[in-house]
Amino acid sequence: AQSVTQLDSQVPVFEEAPVELRCNYSSSVSVYLFWYVQYPNQGLQLLLKYLSGSTLVKGINGFEAEFNKSQTSFHLRKPSVHISDTAEYFCAVRPPEAGNMLTFGGGTRLMVKP
Amino acid sequence: DTGVSQNPRHKITKRGQNVTFRCDPISEHNRLYWYRQTLGQGPEFLTYFQNEAQLEKSRLLSDRFSAERPKGSFSTLEIQRTEQGDSAMYLCASSLITEAFFGQGTRLTVV
Repeated sequence: AQSVTQLDSQVPVFEEAPVELRCNYSSSVSVYLFWYVQYPNQGLQLLLKYLSGSTLVKGINGFEAEFNKSQTSFHLRKPSVHISDTAEYFCAVRPPEAGNMLTFGGGTRLMVKP
Repeated sequence: DTGVSQNPRHKITKRGQNVTFRCDPISEHNRLYWYRQTLGQGPEFLTYFQNEAQLEKSRLLSDRFSAERPKGSFSTLEIQRTEQGDSAMYLCASSLITEAFFGQGTRLTVV
């Protein structure tokens, strides 16, 4: 079984400042890792994913994340946020075998202030 | 490719009534998932189909819940005798290989 912990339920930040959203996971098997974004009353949109290879992955909208196997972390970063980045962000994991479901963290609400 | 489509987007029902939601996945995707998301929480897995076969069900899926995917295309999720605790966003996702694509969800309110 897998579990995902997002350490911050809310992260307030000023526009154009950098941000890091933290994600730690627990799993007895290797996993794929994902970050999704959810705008109000919308579904989830994939930001980026780590499957294998380079531990630094780049996604859409200027976001990137780094996989750290020893610390079982997959933190999401953006060097300069915009008002439009205000949303809920979810970290998720799943085993590589096809058909496995995603296990999500509780989410982090990013609030970008002008 | 119009993405994953869910209908209705919103449903308000009285306690005890039955409701049915529909999900149309991306056309070439053979895997389809249902998740439930309550306010302030991450989505929780409910059930999974590969083509028309329902391969896995969460213990969250009580006897009042049933899901189908006839002919391996669209899927329906039915909740019988709704309870206030069923109020949530119901998300459908489909996938081909590695990443899941989500619909916009159906928000259910049981009054």
